[in-house]
Amino acid sequence: SQQGEEDPQALSIQEGENATMNCSYKTSINNLQWYRQNSGRGLVHLILIRSNEREKHSGRLRVTLDTSKKSSSLLITASRAADTASYFCATDPLQGAQKLVFGQGTRLTINP
Amino acid sequence: DTAVSQTPKYLVTQMGNDKSIKCEQNLGHDTMYWYKQDSKKFLKIMFSYNNKELIINETVPNRFSPKSPDKAHLNLHINSLELGDSAVYFCASSRGRVTTEQYFGPGTRLTVT
Repeated sequence: SQQGEEDPQALSIQEGENATMNCSYKTSINNLQWYRQNSGRGLVHLILIRSNEREKHSGRLRVTLDTSKKSSSLLITASRAADTASYFCATDPLQGAQKLVFGQGTRLTINP
Repeated sequence: DTAVSQTPKYLVTQMGNDKSIKCEQNLGHDTMYWYKQDSKKFLKIMFSYNNKELIINETVPNRFSPKSPDKAHLNLHINSLELGDSAVYFCASSRGRVTTEQYFGPGTRLTVT
């Protein structure tokens, strides 16, 4: 069954605004990762946050993890047109086979 | 240099045919994967190999057979193609068996008519 679910499914904002995407999951995890997929391309790894971490930054990206609520958020600050893409969270479940389980993604559109 | 490459990028074929997709990574990674992304963008793992050994085999029809001649290559052969096989197939690789960050290829868009 699907582990991660992103919210919203689609988000459209103006360039320069901040974009926040959320991910909820069902079972305990080792880590949670965020990926970006530009149209017609493969996924690109953005950031990995471990289960014992609460927040992580990478450039304009900020990821939070709340294991008690089984949720994570990805914040992109000062958005640019080039940030237009689909964003996926992927969880590494604590139990079971060693594999990432992906959500269905949030489609982010940055309007110039 | 491309880290993870796949060929072909597009594949259009008729039902019942057999086709193969090739994947190569030059990152020196030990683990490689095949994923299927459907029309709703849902990405699901199909297979995973570590040093040429199959470690994950999800509920995939027997018509799909992965082959890893060495740890830098993971090919996917599909027999008797069906309409429902139409999707984008991604190859990926990562260091070791622990699920660290994965590097994805550009994808192969398979269309079965």
